[in-house]
Amino acid sequence: TQLLEQSPQFLSIQEGENLTVYCNSSSVFSSLQWYRQEPGEGPVLLVTVVTGGEVKKLKRLTFQFGDARKDSSLHITAAQPGDTGLYLCAVLGGETSGSRLTFGEGTQLTVNP
Amino acid sequence: EADIYQTPRYLVIGTGKKITLECSQTMGHDKMYWYQQDPGMELHLIHYSYGVNSTEKGDLSSESTVSRIRTEHFPLTLESARPSHTSQYLCASSDPGTSGEEQFFGPGTRLTVL
Repeated sequence: TQLLEQSPQFLSIQEGENLTVYCNSSSVFSSLQWYRQEPGEGPVLLVTVVTGGEVKKLKRLTFQFGDARKDSSLHITAAQPGDTGLYLCAVLGGETSGSRLTFGEGTQLTVNP
Repeated sequence: EADIYQTPRYLVIGTGKKITLECSQTMGHDKMYWYQQDPGMELHLIHYSYGVNSTEKGDLSSESTVSRIRTEHFPLTLESARPSHTSQYLCASSDPGTSGEEQFFGPGTRLTVL
């Protein structure tokens, strides 16, 4: 069983559209991270959310941490081709992970010009 | 910009060859990791280290081995490469920080075994 479930797994949209991707779990976390991985590169941290209900904005990206700190969403407004990449959520801990980060399976986003 | 480096970036080799993938970081991080990832797919942790002389196997079984003789260096070795080892290998290091543990990733090594 995956600790973190990300949906959708694949998303292909046109430039200018809005989208939301999700990261869900049945466990409670003290913090949650979102990473973006561009083709041919390693993932890069976008944001860390730590407070239930917290909303953070990064230009056209809006991140929300659920009130119960079990889930998170990432909303992109007016998507651009440069947003194309694999979006990964990650948390510390889990039954077998201890103090290591556990990553979700990712959402592969393609924004077509 | 993260100071973590991987070499080579691309490697094409024949079956049975021994290879070592290099990973170095200049941030003084104690924790380092190796992940295996197929294009556009999830990361699979194969090895990690919490410091010098500390190495542990990750969540995905791997025939590779690692060593951590120096803080900044965490090489991964395959004694006899096979086509099933074809994948991207990502190295990362982390710093506990004050609001969660950020991992810094290298650019990866794309390995193809013929």
